[in-house]
Amino acid sequence: SQTIHQWPATLVQPVGSPLSLECTVEGTSNPNLYWYRQAAGRGLQLLFYSVGIGQISSEVPQNLSASRPQDRQFILSSKKLLLSDSGFYLCAWSVGDRGIQPQHFGDGTRLSIL
Amino acid sequence: GNSVTQMEGPVTLSEEAFLTINCTYTATGYPSLFWYVQYPGEGLQLLLKATKADDKGSNKGFEATYRKETTSFHLEKGSVQVSDSAVYFCALKETGGYQKVTFGTGTKLQVIP
Repeated sequence: SQTIHQWPATLVQPVGSPLSLECTVEGTSNPNLYWYRQAAGRGLQLLFYSVGIGQISSEVPQNLSASRPQDRQFILSSKKLLLSDSGFYLCAWSVGDRGIQPQHFGDGTRLSIL
Repeated sequence: GNSVTQMEGPVTLSEEAFLTINCTYTATGYPSLFWYVQYPGEGLQLLLKATKADDKGSNKGFEATYRKETTSFHLEKGSVQVSDSAVYFCALKETGGYQKVTFGTGTKLQVIP
């Protein structure tokens, strides 16, 4: 069966520090991968999605970036964090199909910027 | 572009009450529709889905019917439990292109004993 792992679960970082969140998927190949942010009390905002290695599409211009160095690995990064980067970050995957299959989510990373 | 509109919460119900959470959407083409549930401090879990008009998705006593004529996908449950307290997200997924998913803003449900 397929599983998705996301870490760390919780992170506290000072303003201006770098960031690296990692997400890996097991049990499937060539998944579509997604990074979302959920601000407190708000819905999900799609940040990045990837349909293959090295293929990254950005939905919202900001100081975050994403990379996909391997088929089932998706990394969210920042060189200098802002206070506004605080939130709950969720990684998700889905199969590349006709669009009838759902996305499957990791357990999320709660990021607090001090 | 695509959009999903959900009723604002929080929705507070007594145990065993009937639940309806409204969801309407706008989309080009014929998207698939989903309901996800998020328990406190956790990621999202798929609750149910429907992939074409008039399909009914169901799971754990929850139901939703894909209504193309009203562009709606309302979530219902006949008798809620305290354990159903969570945030519920309605979502649509494109059936072409990059199959991006558009989420509603979520509706918080609180069930009191």
